[in-house]
Amino acid sequence: SQELEQSPQSLIVQEGKNLTINCTSSKTLYGLYWYKQKYGEGLIFLMMLQKGGEEKSHEKITAKLDEKKQQSSLHITASQPSHAGIYLCGADIYTSGNTGKLIFGQGTTLQVKP
Amino acid sequence: DSGVTQTPKHLITATGQRVTLRCSPRSGDLSVYWYQQSLDQGLQFLIQYYNGEERAKGNILERFSAQQFPDLHSELNLSSLELGDSALYFCASSVTWQPYNEQFFGPGTRLTVL
Repeated sequence: SQELEQSPQSLIVQEGKNLTINCTSSKTLYGLYWYKQKYGEGLIFLMMLQKGGEEKSHEKITAKLDEKKQQSSLHITASQPSHAGIYLCGADIYTSGNTGKLIFGQGTTLQVKP
Repeated sequence: DSGVTQTPKHLITATGQRVTLRCSPRSGDLSVYWYQQSLDQGLQFLIQYYNGEERAKGNILERFSAQQFPDLHSELNLSSLELGDSALYFCASSVTWQPYNEQFFGPGTRLTVL
């Protein structure tokens, strides 16, 4: 099973609607990262959340880290076609000799219909 | 533009061959990570270097090797290539090797093995 589970796997929303993507870890999280990827292209860094129930916002995107649930959510308000892409969560999961390497979820594909 | 450069952008080769992928980290970043993205396995960590030294290993095959040079650029060598090695290979860089450091990804090298 995946150490990081993202849900949903895909999402189609109407422009202007809000949406939420979840990322749940089976292990203790030490840093949670959100990236956006256009198909076949590089990953664009969105936000990093550190251990401790942090919340960050950038433009219309808000991410929260619930350390008790070992879960993060990414919320997009008033979605636009420019938000379309693949959203990936990456986590720094505690292992002995932690190095900062990231484990990634399988991604959530978002389509925004104009 | 993340500041991380990768060459070449595309690579098409035959089974059994050997290729070298190159990565230049962002200015000031000492840590380089290599990741492989495929449809079936998703985005997986391969190996990390920090200031020329190997720091962590992930799911990297014995046929693959990497190094980081004194000028901090890194190369990933893939040998005895198989069809299943076809994937997007990403390089990422961060300031240090430790957790809680933003990792910035390059545009990737798409490898196709025929």
